[in-house]
Amino acid sequence: SAVISQKPSRDICQRGTSLTIQCQVDSQVTMMFWYRQQPGQSLTLIATANQGSEATYESGFVIDKFPISRPNLTFSTLTVSNMSPEDSSIYLCSVEVWDSRYNEQFFGPGTRLTVL
Amino acid sequence: SQQGEEDPQALSIQEGENATMNCSYKTSINNLQWYRQNSGRGLVHLILIRSNEREKHSGRLRVTLDTSKKSSSLLITASRAADTASYFCATGANAGGTSYGKLTFGQGTILTVHP
Repeated sequence: SAVISQKPSRDICQRGTSLTIQCQVDSQVTMMFWYRQQPGQSLTLIATANQGSEATYESGFVIDKFPISRPNLTFSTLTVSNMSPEDSSIYLCSVEVWDSRYNEQFFGPGTRLTVL
Repeated sequence: SQQGEEDPQALSIQEGENATMNCSYKTSINNLQWYRQNSGRGLVHLILIRSNEREKHSGRLRVTLDTSKKSSSLLITASRAADTASYFCATGANAGGTSYGKLTFGQGTILTVHP
């Protein structure tokens, strides 16, 4: 397994500002993922962040809105830019831990974002 | 409809009873994982079942996978009030495709266990 921490755990932000969320893992991992969970909804993948390459974004998510950094194998950041109330969600990072060829994923505690 | 749909959407039972949640999916998978989420917090990984496995146990949890029906079930036996949470299934794609490594989540089942 993997132990994952996120900062901040929650924040309340004003419209038009940006927030950077940090994700720290206790071991080196190749693949990290960022998910969004809107109120009362399931999780939706935002992007995949591999160390040493540009993040790969899912349909409906763009780099200008959600820039991601992955400077090393234990750390990543997600920025939510130019926020609007529609960005109010829980943002979660996850990492993939390999057991043979099966990708078991573990999640951080999430960052609860409220945009006013 | 989405990959990884679950039913029921909500389940309310008494402590001591068993809880069964089902998950259906549409495409070929490499594995299926079940998670628990308490009150909008992070996800807790419960169990991973591989595409070549049919049943897996972990404590009071029993997961089955039927790839011919593209469905899985999670059984929680002798439920406790502390089991109250949302439960999600998530499917992992097969190798070789652009979706490999990504998880697709179902909508989840909200389980309430009354003391």
